[in-house]
Amino acid sequence: DVKVTQSSRYLVKRTGEKVFLECVQDMDHENMFWYRQDPGLGLRLIYFSYDVKMKEKGDIPEGYSVSREKKERFSLILESASTNQTSMYLCASSLDLTASSGNTIYFGEGSWLTVV
Amino acid sequence: AQTVTQSQPEMSVQEAETVTLSCTYDTSENNYYLFWYKQPPSRQMILVIRQEAYKQQNATENRFSVNFQKAAKSFSLKISDSQLGDTAMYFCAFSPGGGADGLTFGKGTHLIIQP
Repeated sequence: DVKVTQSSRYLVKRTGEKVFLECVQDMDHENMFWYRQDPGLGLRLIYFSYDVKMKEKGDIPEGYSVSREKKERFSLILESASTNQTSMYLCASSLDLTASSGNTIYFGEGSWLTVV
Repeated sequence: AQTVTQSQPEMSVQEAETVTLSCTYDTSENNYYLFWYKQPPSRQMILVIRQEAYKQQNATENRFSVNFQKAAKSFSLKISDSQLGDTAMYFCAFSPGGGADGLTFGKGTHLIIQP
């Protein structure tokens, strides 16, 4: 089974702190994603990466950055956390399109971040 | 840009009934993929079913099936013989044929199965 692991399930951080959310996948997937989920808004794409050291902005990248130094790891960084970044963050990964399951995205269990 | 609309914020049915969740989308792409994901209270997103736009046959997975109407840009999910474990948020999602750009999600439908 595909495993996408988010190491921190629950975090409480102070306004202005730098926050790292880590995500690791164990299936050699090319593509990795960070979403945030808020009630009534569904899931919104923050950043994605289709290769090591490559990153692309999603729909709501402001206030966030990402790092992908190794294929299996994709980190989301909040440079200076703010209260409006209190949310659940979901990491996901997928195979390259040429795979038979192309475009199927597998999710981690989510990281609940509260900024106070 | 693509948009996905789920017009039913919440639905409630009795156990063993059949329920249909609606989803419409807007895109100028010709090749794309559509998905239904389930998110139970544990928050783990689980893939329920996927449909490739170039396939005319509707996808089915056990009690779950879709009604894919490409011209109408409609992608509804039917759950037959609903079970208590089907209680969850259900998200409809779209992915362009180009692949690596991630999914665009609807806002979700909260489905409650009553005993």
